[in-house]
Amino acid sequence: ILNVEQSPQSLHVQEGDSTNFTCSFPSSNFYALHWYRWETAKSPEALFVMTLNGDEKKKGRISATLNTKEGYSYLYIKGSQPEDSATYLCASIGGADGLTFGKGTHLIIQP
Amino acid sequence: DAGITQSPRHKVTETGTPVTLRCHQTENHRYMYWYRQDPGHGLRLIHYSYGVKDTDKGEVSDGYSVSRSKTEDFLLTLESATSSQTSVYFCAIRGQRNTEAFFGQGTRLTVV
Repeated sequence: ILNVEQSPQSLHVQEGDSTNFTCSFPSSNFYALHWYRWETAKSPEALFVMTLNGDEKKKGRISATLNTKEGYSYLYIKGSQPEDSATYLCASIGGADGLTFGKGTHLIIQP
Repeated sequence: DAGITQSPRHKVTETGTPVTLRCHQTENHRYMYWYRQDPGHGLRLIHYSYGVKDTDKGEVSDGYSVSRSKTEDFLLTLESATSSQTSVYFCAIRGQRNTEAFFGQGTRLTVV
């Protein structure tokens, strides 16, 4: 069972500001790191799947980086918009195939 | 949208009764997962499957069993439901090892 941790638990950001949050995971036996966006009353939807140390991925104003040696990933949102309000989850796959999630970062964008 | 459906979507049951939740996929994906969502805990892995009849436990497997007799169906059974199993249950599917997971719409289970 992997220990995946996310910080902060919640975050209030002014519209137009940029923000970032962290996911830490066991660096040993690492296979992949996932990021998901989860809006209220919906199901989680994938943002990124990252596997290589130093990976950087981008989708619009959202990007992510991966450091597998030290066991962390950052998610960045540039120029936050109200529609970015959601819970952002990261998940790790280790040697086995279980996909273990952190508790998420709840992001609220204030107009 | 990925072809994944959960049934039922809502269920109220009494303590001590058995309950089975079904996850059905039309994507022929190898991996299937059952999670429960509780306030303050995010998504916690109950059980998962990596092929027909191949399953493994997650972090909160006590009180739950699963079966996967064919690729498209993954069943989660609460042998004797307890109030602590009141939760929203999500199924997810995943294809190859380096691809994303797709989630069902969730099942809200209330044990009274």
